[in-house]
Amino acid sequence: KQEVTQIPAALSVPEGENLVLNCSFTDSAIYNLQWFRQDPGKGLTSLLLIQSSQREQTSGRLNASLDKSSGRSTLYIAASQPGDSATYLCAVDSNYQLIWGAGTKLIIKP
Amino acid sequence: NAGVTQTPKFQVLKTGQSMTLQCAQDMNHNSMYWYRQDPGMGLRLIYYSASEGTTDKGEVPNGYNVSRLNKREFSLRLESAAPSQTSVYFCASSTLDRPRVFGPGTRLTVL
Repeated sequence: KQEVTQIPAALSVPEGENLVLNCSFTDSAIYNLQWFRQDPGKGLTSLLLIQSSQREQTSGRLNASLDKSSGRSTLYIAASQPGDSATYLCAVDSNYQLIWGAGTKLIIKP
Repeated sequence: NAGVTQTPKFQVLKTGQSMTLQCAQDMNHNSMYWYRQDPGMGLRLIYYSASEGTTDKGEVPNGYNVSRLNKREFSLRLESAAPSQTSVYFCASSTLDRPRVFGPGTRLTVL
Protein backbone atom coordinates (compact mmCIF):
# COMPACT_ATOMS: atom_id res chain seq x y z
CA LYS A 1 0.00 0.00 0.00
CA GLN A 2 1.39 3.37 -1.03
CA GLU A 3 2.25 5.69 1.84
CA VAL A 4 3.41 9.28 1.51
CA THR A 5 5.35 11.08 4.24
CA GLN A 6 6.31 14.74 4.43
CA ILE A 7 9.06 16.06 6.66
CA PRO A 8 9.14 18.41 8.45
CA ALA A 9 5.52 18.88 9.53
CA ALA A 10 6.21 22.58 10.12
CA LEU A 11 8.97 24.98 9.18
CA SER A 12 9.59 28.63 10.06
CA VAL A 13 12.36 30.57 8.31
CA PRO A 14 13.30 34.23 7.79
CA GLU A 15 12.40 35.93 4.55
CA GLY A 16 14.95 35.54 1.78
CA GLU A 17 16.19 32.08 2.67
CA ASN A 18 16.25 29.18 0.26
CA LEU A 19 14.50 26.12 1.63
CA VAL A 20 13.73 22.50 0.84
CA LEU A 21 10.60 20.52 1.63
CA ASN A 22 10.79 16.75 1.55
CA CYS A 23 8.35 14.07 0.43
CA SER A 24 8.92 10.31 0.49
CA PHE A 25 6.80 7.47 -0.84
CA THR A 26 6.96 3.71 -0.35
CA ASP A 27 5.99 2.33 -3.79
CA SER A 28 7.98 3.50 -6.81
CA ALA A 29 5.23 2.42 -9.26
CA ILE A 30 3.78 5.88 -9.67
CA TYR A 31 2.20 7.71 -12.58
CA ASN A 32 3.24 11.15 -11.44
CA LEU A 33 3.95 13.21 -8.35
CA GLN A 34 2.33 16.54 -7.65
CA TRP A 35 3.02 19.41 -5.29
CA PHE A 36 0.14 21.58 -4.11
CA ARG A 37 -0.21 24.65 -1.97
CA GLN A 38 -3.08 25.22 0.45
CA ASP A 39 -3.80 28.55 2.13
CA PRO A 40 -5.77 28.54 5.41
CA GLY A 41 -9.47 27.88 4.82
CA LYS A 42 -8.95 27.70 1.09
CA GLY A 43 -8.79 25.10 -1.63
CA LEU A 44 -5.68 23.56 -3.18
CA THR A 45 -3.54 25.10 -5.89
CA SER A 46 -1.39 22.89 -8.09
CA LEU A 47 2.24 24.05 -8.14
CA LEU A 48 4.16 21.44 -10.08
CA LEU A 49 3.51 18.04 -11.62
CA ILE A 50 6.38 15.65 -12.37
CA GLN A 51 5.67 12.70 -14.62
CA SER A 52 7.23 9.39 -13.61
CA SER A 53 9.68 9.64 -16.53
CA GLN A 54 10.89 13.11 -15.51
CA ARG A 55 13.52 14.11 -12.96
CA GLU A 56 12.45 17.68 -12.21
CA GLN A 57 10.12 20.53 -13.01
CA THR A 58 10.58 24.25 -12.50
CA SER A 59 8.14 27.12 -12.16
CA GLY A 60 9.50 30.52 -11.21
CA ARG A 61 11.19 30.26 -7.81
CA LEU A 62 10.01 26.67 -7.36
CA ASN A 63 11.88 23.55 -8.41
CA ALA A 64 10.65 20.03 -7.73
CA SER A 65 12.75 16.92 -8.17
CA LEU A 66 11.79 13.27 -8.35
CA ASP A 67 13.91 10.20 -7.60
CA LYS A 68 11.66 7.18 -8.04
CA SER A 69 14.33 4.64 -7.15
CA SER A 70 14.75 6.11 -3.68
CA GLY A 71 11.09 7.09 -3.31
CA ARG A 72 11.81 10.77 -2.77
CA SER A 73 10.81 14.17 -4.04
CA THR A 74 11.95 17.59 -2.91
CA LEU A 75 10.40 21.01 -3.42
CA TYR A 76 12.99 23.77 -3.47
CA ILE A 77 11.83 27.34 -2.87
CA ALA A 78 14.34 30.06 -3.70
CA ALA A 79 14.46 33.47 -2.05
CA SER A 80 11.42 32.83 0.16
CA GLN A 81 8.82 35.57 0.66
CA PRO A 82 6.09 36.07 3.31
CA GLY A 83 3.53 35.31 0.59
CA ASP A 84 4.97 31.79 0.37
CA SER A 85 3.52 31.04 3.82
CA ALA A 86 1.07 28.17 3.37
CA THR A 87 0.80 24.42 3.75
CA TYR A 88 2.56 22.47 1.01
CA LEU A 89 1.18 19.07 0.10
CA CYS A 90 2.82 16.30 -1.85
CA ALA A 91 0.65 13.70 -3.62
CA VAL A 92 1.53 10.57 -5.56
CA ASP A 93 -0.71 9.52 -8.44
CA SER A 94 -1.16 5.79 -8.94
CA ASN A 95 -4.00 4.82 -11.30
CA TYR A 96 -6.47 7.55 -10.32
CA GLN A 97 -5.61 7.11 -6.66
CA LEU A 98 -3.91 10.29 -5.50
CA ILE A 99 -2.21 9.42 -2.21
CA TRP A 100 -1.42 12.45 -0.08
CA GLY A 101 1.14 13.40 2.51
CA ALA A 102 -0.05 15.26 5.59
CA GLY A 103 1.71 18.44 4.46
CA THR A 104 4.41 20.83 5.63
CA LYS A 105 3.19 24.07 7.18
CA LEU A 106 5.57 26.80 6.09
CA ILE A 107 5.88 30.19 7.77
CA ILE A 108 8.12 32.85 6.25
CA LYS A 109 8.95 35.55 8.78
CA PRO A 110 9.34 39.11 7.43
CA ASN B 1 -14.34 29.72 -17.12
CA ALA B 2 -15.16 29.09 -13.43
CA GLY B 3 -13.04 25.93 -13.00
CA VAL B 4 -14.49 23.67 -10.29
CA THR B 5 -17.40 24.98 -8.23
CA GLN B 6 -18.85 23.42 -5.09
CA THR B 7 -22.04 24.11 -3.18
CA PRO B 8 -22.67 24.74 -0.39
CA LYS B 9 -19.55 26.34 1.14
CA PHE B 10 -20.65 25.58 4.70
CA GLN B 11 -23.21 23.20 6.18
CA VAL B 12 -24.24 22.09 9.64
CA LEU B 13 -26.23 18.88 9.99
CA LYS B 14 -27.66 16.91 12.85
CA THR B 15 -26.80 13.23 13.19
CA GLY B 16 -29.01 11.17 10.90
CA GLN B 17 -29.83 13.95 8.45
CA SER B 18 -29.04 13.57 4.77
CA MET B 19 -27.60 15.99 2.27
CA THR B 20 -25.99 16.20 -1.15
CA LEU B 21 -22.84 18.12 -1.96
CA GLN B 22 -22.78 19.45 -5.49
CA CYS B 23 -19.75 19.79 -7.76
CA ALA B 24 -19.49 21.07 -11.31
CA GLN B 25 -16.59 21.73 -13.69
CA ASP B 26 -16.53 23.62 -16.95
CA MET B 27 -13.15 22.45 -18.28
CA ASN B 28 -14.44 19.40 -20.19
CA HIS B 29 -12.47 17.09 -17.87
CA ASN B 30 -13.21 13.39 -18.03
CA SER B 31 -12.31 12.50 -14.44
CA MET B 32 -13.82 13.83 -11.24
CA TYR B 33 -13.07 13.09 -7.59
CA TRP B 34 -14.35 13.61 -4.08
CA TYR B 35 -11.89 13.93 -1.18
CA ARG B 36 -12.20 14.65 2.49
CA GLN B 37 -9.58 16.47 4.54
CA ASP B 38 -9.28 16.05 8.28
CA PRO B 39 -6.88 17.93 10.60
CA GLY B 40 -3.37 16.49 10.62
CA MET B 41 -4.11 14.07 7.80
CA GLY B 42 -3.65 14.16 4.08
CA LEU B 43 -6.62 14.24 1.78
CA ARG B 44 -8.37 10.91 1.40
CA LEU B 45 -10.23 9.81 -1.69
CA ILE B 46 -13.88 8.97 -1.13
CA TYR B 47 -15.06 8.19 -4.66
CA TYR B 48 -13.93 8.98 -8.15
CA SER B 49 -15.34 8.89 -11.64
CA ALA B 50 -12.82 8.14 -14.37
CA SER B 51 -15.30 9.07 -17.08
CA GLU B 52 -18.95 9.89 -17.53
CA GLY B 53 -21.07 6.90 -16.56
CA THR B 54 -18.52 5.27 -14.26
CA THR B 55 -17.85 5.60 -10.54
CA ASP B 56 -15.45 3.75 -8.26
CA LYS B 57 -14.75 3.59 -4.56
CA GLY B 58 -11.71 5.26 -3.14
CA GLU B 59 -10.02 4.82 0.20
CA VAL B 60 -12.94 5.83 2.48
CA PRO B 61 -16.29 5.24 0.70
CA ASN B 62 -18.37 4.02 3.64
CA GLY B 63 -21.33 6.26 4.44
CA TYR B 64 -21.25 8.01 1.08
CA ASN B 65 -22.79 7.62 -2.36
CA VAL B 66 -22.01 9.46 -5.58
CA SER B 67 -23.67 10.25 -8.88
CA ARG B 68 -21.93 11.31 -12.07
CA LEU B 69 -24.92 13.16 -13.45
CA ASN B 70 -23.20 14.13 -16.69
CA LYS B 71 -19.70 15.08 -17.77
CA ARG B 72 -19.84 18.34 -15.84
CA GLU B 73 -21.41 17.30 -12.54
CA PHE B 74 -20.44 14.88 -9.79
CA SER B 75 -22.44 14.85 -6.56
CA LEU B 76 -21.69 13.32 -3.16
CA ARG B 77 -24.54 12.20 -0.91
CA LEU B 78 -24.54 11.49 2.80
CA GLU B 79 -27.61 9.38 3.52
CA SER B 80 -27.42 9.44 7.31
CA ALA B 81 -24.79 11.87 8.56
CA ALA B 82 -22.56 10.92 11.49
CA PRO B 83 -20.22 13.11 13.58
CA SER B 84 -17.27 11.18 12.07
CA GLN B 85 -18.18 12.76 8.74
CA THR B 86 -17.36 16.24 10.03
CA SER B 87 -14.68 17.33 7.61
CA VAL B 88 -13.80 19.57 4.70
CA TYR B 89 -14.86 18.06 1.40
CA PHE B 90 -13.07 18.85 -1.85
CA CYS B 91 -14.16 18.05 -5.34
CA ALA B 92 -11.59 17.90 -8.13
CA SER B 93 -11.42 17.19 -11.83
CA SER B 94 -8.68 16.34 -14.30
CA THR B 95 -7.69 15.04 -17.67
CA LEU B 96 -4.92 12.54 -18.30
CA ASP B 97 -1.41 13.86 -17.56
CA ARG B 98 -2.72 17.09 -16.09
CA PRO B 99 -2.86 18.17 -12.44
CA ARG B 100 -6.13 17.88 -10.67
CA VAL B 101 -8.03 21.16 -10.35
CA PHE B 102 -9.69 21.52 -6.99
CA GLY B 103 -12.83 23.32 -5.90
CA PRO B 104 -12.89 25.68 -2.90
CA GLY B 105 -14.23 23.03 -0.53
CA THR B 106 -17.33 22.49 1.61
CA ARG B 107 -16.90 22.69 5.37
CA LEU B 108 -19.36 20.22 6.93
CA THR B 109 -20.12 19.89 10.63
CA VAL B 110 -22.28 17.05 11.93
CA LEU B 111 -23.59 17.56 15.46
